Amino acid sequence: DTEVTQTPKHLVMGMTNKKSLKCEQHMGHRAMYWYKQKAKKPPELMFVYSYEKLSINESVPSRFSPECPNSSLLNLHLHALQPEDSALYLCASSQARIDYEQYFGPGTRLTVT
Amino acid sequence: QKEVEQNSGPLSVPEGAIASLNCTYSDRGSQSFFWYRQYSGKSPELIMSIYSNGDKEDGRFTAQLNKASQYVSLLIRDSQPSDSATYLCAVRTNFGNEKLTFGTGTRLTIIP
Repeated sequence: DTEVTQTPKHLVMGMTNKKSLKCEQHMGHRAMYWYKQKAKKPPELMFVYSYEKLSINESVPSRFSPECPNSSLLNLHLHALQPEDSALYLCASSQARIDYEQYFGPGTRLTVT
Repeated sequence: QKEVEQNSGPLSVPEGAIASLNCTYSDRGSQSFFWYRQYSGKSPELIMSIYSNGDKEDGRFTAQLNKASQYVSLLIRDSQPSDSATYLCAVRTNFGNEKLTFGTGTRLTIIP
């Protein structure tokens, strides 16, 4: 089973709202990722958690705040977003430091109004 | 120079023919190579991974890696309309680093 789940599927939020995206995997993977993807562009890495510790932050603005409560869960907290933050947000997971095959969840389509 | 380059296409291939997708990368230390398929509005789906020089076959898909020439390719045999999608090449460039670098993708259209 290579399933990564994400909720919600769609999210519309105003620029003053606070919302969270959730990601879950039960494959025993110890690395989890957040990507942002704009239309007709490749996924753009935002954050990497390895063994529940933040290992990579690709200079993401502080209005995006990641959290890894345990090895199966990954959250992305959103606050004071801008319309240009509208995108498909993808979560992925992989075995850490072994084969690095990353498996993506279905994504959350975020619209900031 | 971009780290991972792909021809953006669109690449049009008749149904039943072989589709050939190419990817070049700049970092000679690259260790792992992946092909993802992405349908419009959906998330990327891993279809092949390859780590050693040579060919790796999985059903109708064959990945080819040539580290000396720094290219990786994906062949799709007996192309079907359902293969119409954007194909993303991804490369892990530094040993021990979880980061994948993606190419911009090649849009493939299979013509019935």
